[in-house]
Amino acid sequence: EIVMTQSPATLSVSPGERATLSCRASQSVSSNLAWYQQKPGQAPRLLIYGASTRATDIPARFSASGSGTEFTLTISSLQSEDFALYYCQQYNSWPPRHTFGQGTKLEIK
Amino acid sequence: EVQLLESGGGLVQPGGSLRLSCAASGFTLRSYAMTWVRQAPGKGLEWVSAISGSGDNTYYADSVQGRFTISRDNSKNTLYLQMNSLRAEDTAVYFCARPGSSTSWSLFGYWGQGTLVTVSS
Repeated sequence: EIVMTQSPATLSVSPGERATLSCRASQSVSSNLAWYQQKPGQAPRLLIYGASTRATDIPARFSASGSGTEFTLTISSLQSEDFALYYCQQYNSWPPRHTFGQGTKLEIK
Repeated sequence: EVQLLESGGGLVQPGGSLRLSCAASGFTLRSYAMTWVRQAPGKGLEWVSAISGSGDNTYYADSVQGRFTISRDNSKNTLYLQMNSLRAEDTAVYFCARPGSSTSWSLFGYWGQGTLVTVSS
């Protein structure tokens, strides 16, 4: 099983500033990496797929990069609605046990 | 409009069983692989099980292998998760999820609202 490790567990950032979240895979997942955002009481929302492609209707302030085992999600100029939980997920493995990271909580500083 | 509606959650004793359902609408269910994802209280997302569009192929996380069974009835537009030998650590909100593309097994663009399963005596 591919283990996904996210860091930091909690990130405190002020509105208007930039946030950088990291995700590491225990083995290469190529570019088969997605990012999700989850707000309290809601289902996750797909933000990024293919390691760097924004999903439909995702604002341009969300960007992502990486390949292999190291990935980054960057949110420039944080808005109030961006404070949430963020998860990475690999979808490279077959059988399709597409594991998630443990999440990063982005909180207001 | 794509909609996924889970049901069947509740309180069950350790060792007990429960069957979750996910009613799909707004799309042709048989065209999509479907997945169950769970989230324990205050914890992260855990991939649980997936099933091919036809139902011929099923996959499970090690943590539920041998205890849970995923199935689907495409004629009823419904996905199921039969959960047996339940443990306290199975307590979670269970989501059904659909990929955005019929060729994908992940990239979950659509989620249900979740149903809470509590395993406790």
